[in-house]
Amino acid sequence: QKEVEQNSGPLSVPEGAIASLNCTYSDRGSQSFFWYRQYSGKSPELIMSIYSNGDKEDGRFTAQLNKASQYVSLLIRDSQPSDSATYLCAVNMGPSGYNKLIFGAGTRLAVHP
Amino acid sequence: SAVISQKPSRDICQRGTSLTIQCQVDSQVTMMFWYRQQPGQSLTLIATANQGSEATYESGFVIDKFPISRPNLTFSTLTVSNMSPEDSSIYLCSVGQGPNEQFFGPGTRLTVL
Repeated sequence: QKEVEQNSGPLSVPEGAIASLNCTYSDRGSQSFFWYRQYSGKSPELIMSIYSNGDKEDGRFTAQLNKASQYVSLLIRDSQPSDSATYLCAVNMGPSGYNKLIFGAGTRLAVHP
Repeated sequence: SAVISQKPSRDICQRGTSLTIQCQVDSQVTMMFWYRQQPGQSLTLIATANQGSEATYESGFVIDKFPISRPNLTFSTLTVSNMSPEDSSIYLCSVGQGPNEQFFGPGTRLTVL
């Protein structure tokens, strides 16, 4: 069974702090990894994708990937109340060339003023 | 990214009936997918909608229950057949763009009484 694991939270951080969201996955052959943000009652919104080991930065967001440890994380710097949402980690676990995303259960983030 | 619309946005249905959900994209896309998000849960892939051929279903989902059409590169439908209260979920279509990225439509919230 191919799995993606996330801590369900809630993760509560004060405004301005760094929020750190973590994800592990079971399929060592996975090559592409994604973070989606989902506000309550809305559909998931892609915020980051990462394919290579190391860090990838986009504005206040940094995705980190360690394939050896089968671990991917998302850092949100200068957290704002508007960042309060559920963050879904998704891993492409399809065969080469086949786009099949497996989603984690999501981590609920609460940023308080 | 592509603009994706779904119809209906929500519906309340009686058990034993069927509902067809439409997904329209504003540009041609090769890959279209259907997901289910049950209350409080993460996303589960139902099937990949293939243009010109039968859909590819994931384990636990069958064509008789979830028939899918994909008549062209901008449109797909998912039918939820012979509904029961356990089918109450949000149904989401997504489209594949770029290297493995997927973008989601707004979703259809289905309640079965």
